[in-house]
Amino acid sequence: NAGVMQNPRHLVRRRGQEARLRCSPMKGHSHVYWYRQLPEEGLKFMVYLQKENIIDESGMPKERFSAEFPKEGPSILRIQQVVRGDSAAYFCASSPRPRGTGVEQYFGPGTRLTVT
Amino acid sequence: AQKVTQAQTEISVVEKEDVTLDCVYETRDTTYYLFWYKQPPSGELVFLIRRNSFDEQNEISGRYSWNFQKSTSSFNFTITASQVVDSAVYFCALSEAWGNNRLAFGKGNQVVVIP
Repeated sequence: NAGVMQNPRHLVRRRGQEARLRCSPMKGHSHVYWYRQLPEEGLKFMVYLQKENIIDESGMPKERFSAEFPKEGPSILRIQQVVRGDSAAYFCASSPRPRGTGVEQYFGPGTRLTVT
Repeated sequence: AQKVTQAQTEISVVEKEDVTLDCVYETRDTTYYLFWYKQPPSGELVFLIRRNSFDEQNEISGRYSWNFQKSTSSFNFTITASQVVDSAVYFCALSEAWGNNRLAFGKGNQVVVIP
């Protein structure tokens, strides 16, 4: 009965490096969501993926950020050329049913990214 | 566009007191879903409750209860007989039926339960 798994839990990157955040959804869940928690902005939706498809990326910054959820393996949120403003907690959530059903999302423990 | 407002930022209560958290939402959809999540000091987000827009029946689940009123667009949450373990940030969230399940969160209420 493993919940949503995220790794690493803490990640430190220097400015200009790449950050890769991983998320394994709960067993039986094929819908993954990424959220970012910034100190002054609160929790914000970034992207919604199903296996091999990006369904909604309306919350993703236009540059440097990308996400994937391959047929096999975890979902990956990638941030290229990180800047200090990317320092935040990144949460992954998963759900068992498709969009429009208001199904609850179950969250992982988050990855705390610190950019130095 | 969906929007959630939690006006209170930090609330302190003495153990065993009740605490009510206010949540006001905005949406153009007629079908939507409301949630409360808890974020304890350890940082994870824990799902607490979910309510559909077409079901205004208020319920009690253990020490948690909620008051959903469509007329005032409010979805308030009450913890009865608070305990120290209830100390956390509580988030109200909204998703719209046509919104790809994306959750819009309020800024959160920091609840501090004093022993």
